[in-house]
Amino acid sequence: GQSLEQPSEVTAVEGAIVQINCTYQTSGFYGLSWYQQHDGGAPTFLSYNALDGLEETGRFSSFLSRSDSYGYLLLQELQMKDSASYFCAVMDTGRRALTFGSGTRLQVQP
Amino acid sequence: DGGITQSPKYLFRKEGQNVTLSCEQNLNHDAMYWYRQDPGQGLRLIYYSQIVNDFQKGDIAEGYSVSREKKESFPLTVTSAQKNPTAFYLCASMGGKVTEAFFGQGTRLTVV
Repeated sequence: GQSLEQPSEVTAVEGAIVQINCTYQTSGFYGLSWYQQHDGGAPTFLSYNALDGLEETGRFSSFLSRSDSYGYLLLQELQMKDSASYFCAVMDTGRRALTFGSGTRLQVQP
Repeated sequence: DGGITQSPKYLFRKEGQNVTLSCEQNLNHDAMYWYRQDPGQGLRLIYYSQIVNDFQKGDIAEGYSVSREKKESFPLTVTSAQKNPTAFYLCASMGGKVTEAFFGQGTRLTVV
């Protein structure tokens, strides 16, 4: 089975940088993904790491270390609109379905 | 525009009644998924289907049923056997690459 752990809540101020960590236990997976979900909305895809290392997409970056069973999402130049929940997820090689972490609620303050 | 459509957005059900949630996609994706989300929680997998006429139980399938008669459609029935059905239900699909899932806007089910 798969399990992923994330901090439940993170608070930061506008313009700052925040890192959301994700540790996982898995029997096999294709890669680590990150999704953003605003209150009452649908999750939207942010980033995917198939290999170890850093992936950068605009203000967002994501990192994966398979040897450490660890990844993180880095958000730079925080804006108020970044206030949302962020989920890490792995795609199981066996059943080809995403397993999600419990989510990190990010609050961006003025 | 391509995407996933879930209906209705809000649904109220009396205890003891079955209810079916609709999910339609025009992305030509083979794989479709149903997730349940409770307040402040992550997404939990109910059922998934990799191909038409085939589906598999996820982690919390008890009290739910699905069908996949068409590639575009993956309806979820919440049966009276589901003891705590009040939740936010999300449908998703994925294409050949395992990089990105696309989600519908969700159905919020409330048992009254």
